[in-house]
Amino acid sequence: VQLVESGGGLIQPGGSLRLSCAASGFTVGSKYMTWVRQAPGKGLDWVSIIYNSGRTDYTDSVRGRFTISRDNSNNTLYLQMNSLRVEDTALYYCARGPVAAHFDLWGQGTLVTVSS
Amino acid sequence: EVVLTQSPGTLSLSPGERATLSCRASQSVSSSYLAWYQQKPGQAPRLLIYGASRRATGIPDRFSGSGSGTDFILTISRLQPEDFAVYYCQQFGSSWTFGQGTKLEI
Repeated sequence: VQLVESGGGLIQPGGSLRLSCAASGFTVGSKYMTWVRQAPGKGLDWVSIIYNSGRTDYTDSVRGRFTISRDNSNNTLYLQMNSLRVEDTALYYCARGPVAAHFDLWGQGTLVTVSS
Repeated sequence: EVVLTQSPGTLSLSPGERATLSCRASQSVSSSYLAWYQQKPGQAPRLLIYGASRRATGIPDRFSGSGSGTDFILTISRLQPEDFAVYYCQQFGSSWTFGQGTKLEI
């Protein structure tokens, strides 16, 4: 059972990037799935959630710019990030959950650096 | 939004000692919705405690959680060398928030 993120990189402000999170050992479509980010040297911040119903939610700072989605056939979670800002620079983790309120499985993260 | 404040920011202890980490919420949090994570350098967070006091699968019994309302505690009874890491508390109210972390150092 694991999560493996990919898609990070160096991007200029205003650019777009799509992160992927490949799941194995369980079905993403049957679980709540979440993106959490960690700016360099900082703590953890919740970014977005997709419920098993397909409903989505976002933290205020990314709402309207980021879109969370999933592909059940590929068992993969995505985060489409548009209009990127310098302050979006972070290590982005996908996580399974919440289960009740906690996240019980995390990927290793993919680094997004927004800089000119 | 519920703000979680962890103290101390850094805790310096030796192997074999007892560690007590605090997490204080800006408003009351359901005990069912309070969790603790451990993060080592270069690694993803690992769930330690959920529901304020329930150990996650595979977590040694030297880790314990307690508390209610606005004050929660993570206790590590006898520190092992592998326990030196950063610890985060996390809650769910209207949204999910994390504390700023406590660094446990040798």
